[in-house]
Amino acid sequence: DGGITQSPKYLFRKEGQNVTLSCEQNLNHDAMYWYRQDPGQGLRLIYYSQIVNDFQKGDIAEGYSVSREKKESFPLTVTSAQKNPTAFYLCASSGGQGGMFGNQPQHFGDGTRLSIL
Amino acid sequence: EDKVVQSPLSLVVHEGDTVTLNCSYEVTNFRSLLWYKQEKKAPTFLFMLTSSGIEKKSGRLSSILDKKELFSILNITATQTGDSAVYLCALTNLYNFNKFYFGSGTKLNVKP
Repeated sequence: DGGITQSPKYLFRKEGQNVTLSCEQNLNHDAMYWYRQDPGQGLRLIYYSQIVNDFQKGDIAEGYSVSREKKESFPLTVTSAQKNPTAFYLCASSGGQGGMFGNQPQHFGDGTRLSIL
Repeated sequence: EDKVVQSPLSLVVHEGDTVTLNCSYEVTNFRSLLWYKQEKKAPTFLFMLTSSGIEKKSGRLSSILDKKELFSILNITATQTGDSAVYLCALTNLYNFNKFYFGSGTKLNVKP
């Protein structure tokens, strides 16, 4: 079945440590996204990518980094510079770069819950 | 700056009640407004609205958009406990249609 797979489901980070959250999709979507969700705050955009080898900062990119070397994969690294990383992280994808595909809704993975040890 | 505001933040109803969730927005050049339902994990897509006044319907759920007054509503009739979830509203604009602006969501709790 086509979909988005995030791993791991739960992740613990020690002080000063970088951790990487995985996101893989087999929907053949061009665009991929990372969101952070805190209680009562909806979804806040961290980074998004419209095409391979290209990505843009969202509203809360500080302390995070991404790469987009393959269409299917968009890993997110939470660096030690992110002082408050405890949150629920959601990855999403949508079809097309724009034009006739610009109105397609996003599909979401099941999320990764990150906590500090 | 593009903005999405949802109300109420939370709502408790009993099974069989009808609820109306609100989403108001400010956007430079509107393209589309979307509704999602989030239970425990991944938000699932409900509706996409691009034109004013045209109701979208799926079972007990329906939604409509008013581009003049800049809001959308999501109606749920004959609510069931399975409707308990966070309902998210998002919009896109014409300049960057791959960027989705989300509201903070409405948490709906349907009691038996």
